[in-house]
Amino acid sequence: DAGVIQSPRHEVTEMGQEVTLRCKPISGHDYLFWYRQTMMRGLELLIYFNNNVPIDDSGMPEDRFSAKMPNASFSTLKIQPSEPRDSAVYFCASSLEQQNTEAFFGQGTRLTVV
Amino acid sequence: DQQVKQNSPSLSVQEGRISILNCDYTNSMFDYFLWYKKYPAEGPTFLISISSIKDKNEDGRFTVFLNKSAKHLSLHIVPSQPGDSAVYFCAASWSSGSARQLTFGSGTQLTVLP
Repeated sequence: DAGVIQSPRHEVTEMGQEVTLRCKPISGHDYLFWYRQTMMRGLELLIYFNNNVPIDDSGMPEDRFSAKMPNASFSTLKIQPSEPRDSAVYFCASSLEQQNTEAFFGQGTRLTVV
Repeated sequence: DQQVKQNSPSLSVQEGRISILNCDYTNSMFDYFLWYKKYPAEGPTFLISISSIKDKNEDGRFTVFLNKSAKHLSLHIVPSQPGDSAVYFCAASWSSGSARQLTFGSGTQLTVLP
């Protein structure tokens, strides 16, 4: 398996534009997580899915953020409208159902909103 | 309020010496702890973990110690090598029903000097 695949690797957009980040989890993994990394707050969990169903979105900062998982092999994180403070690295991760197992991360999407 | 804290943002160690990275947590429900390593422009990768029923887990040059009464864990790397230079994230999780999510610390940048 190629691991967790995220696209794009880098995204530069103007304030107010819509941004969509994409993730393909490892095949067979039941959980999918979206994290955001900033200098100030480290790695923050935004939302996670179990078997394509959103379980906890309490980490989503505002209504401008939304995430979907239409099937087991694809998820999106959308920001509309984007703001400069959304600039960060966004990571997608996936893991198996059983307890005491690690999450596998993608390489991340570096988002810059100017 | 951060439930997982890494109070040292950076650490420099001479090659061949021991590196000790520390992590504190506040949530007594956490029952599984992990360390991840992150190189620039890459996603975090799993390094080592420990269950709350143990106080030590060793894997080659890496050992994680858990002190439940103090709500403290540490990662020891010995001997340290220049390739160990990376950001190290401490993470903790608990099982809530069928959910298992990771809460990360803010990371410690380790630099191993040749």
